[in-house]
Amino acid sequence: QVQLQESGPGLVKPSETLSLTCTVSGASITSYYWTWIRQPPGKGLEWIGEISYSGSTKYNPSLKSRVTISLDTSYNQLSLKLNSVTAADTAVYYCARNNLPDYWGQGTLVTVSS
Amino acid sequence: QSVLTQPPSVSAAPGQKVTISCSGSSSNIGKNYVSWYQHLPGTAPKLLIYDNNKRPSGIPDRFSGSNSGTSATLGITGLQTGDEADYYCGTWDSSLSVGVFGTGTKVTVL
Repeated sequence: QVQLQESGPGLVKPSETLSLTCTVSGASITSYYWTWIRQPPGKGLEWIGEISYSGSTKYNPSLKSRVTISLDTSYNQLSLKLNSVTAADTAVYYCARNNLPDYWGQGTLVTVSS
Repeated sequence: QSVLTQPPSVSAAPGQKVTISCSGSSSNIGKNYVSWYQHLPGTAPKLLIYDNNKRPSGIPDRFSGSNSGTSATLGITGLQTGDEADYYCGTWDSSLSVGVFGTGTKVTVL
């Protein structure tokens, strides 16, 4: 059974870097595409970006200058880094398998506040 | 930045049917496959429909998907209290080169 679990700080200060990790079990990260998605409080889902099994990436143009997605094959994990965060980046962040996801993590709330 | 439009809410009595529309454009729904998700807050969203009308293993046939031009529809028959959740459509947008999702629809069982 495929399971994804997001982890990382729940509170990040403005202008700093948001860093999240997604640990995958039941599937190899070298065999699929992986996606990060977020949902600000009370708002809809926003696609952040994707990374292929070979490490090639595609980002949402609205976030492209601040986002990095990478794979750590040693730990079967993917990571998300979003720099220069503001309050507008406060959201529940999800990792998911495939660019139109079939499996999702349960999400982790990240609040940007001083 | 929801590119796909869904009704905010739909409701029906147990056993009845609801349909949820997802309106897009020629660059997204008109060109790419649509998926549908069920989401209970605090839990992982669950894939209900992929490739417009296919159900993953374990999803009952009470859930169905269809497409017509630049719109997609999710149908739920034999409504159950356990179906109360938020539902989202999603697809790829070939012009924006991003995944896009619907605004979300809350299903209430009366």
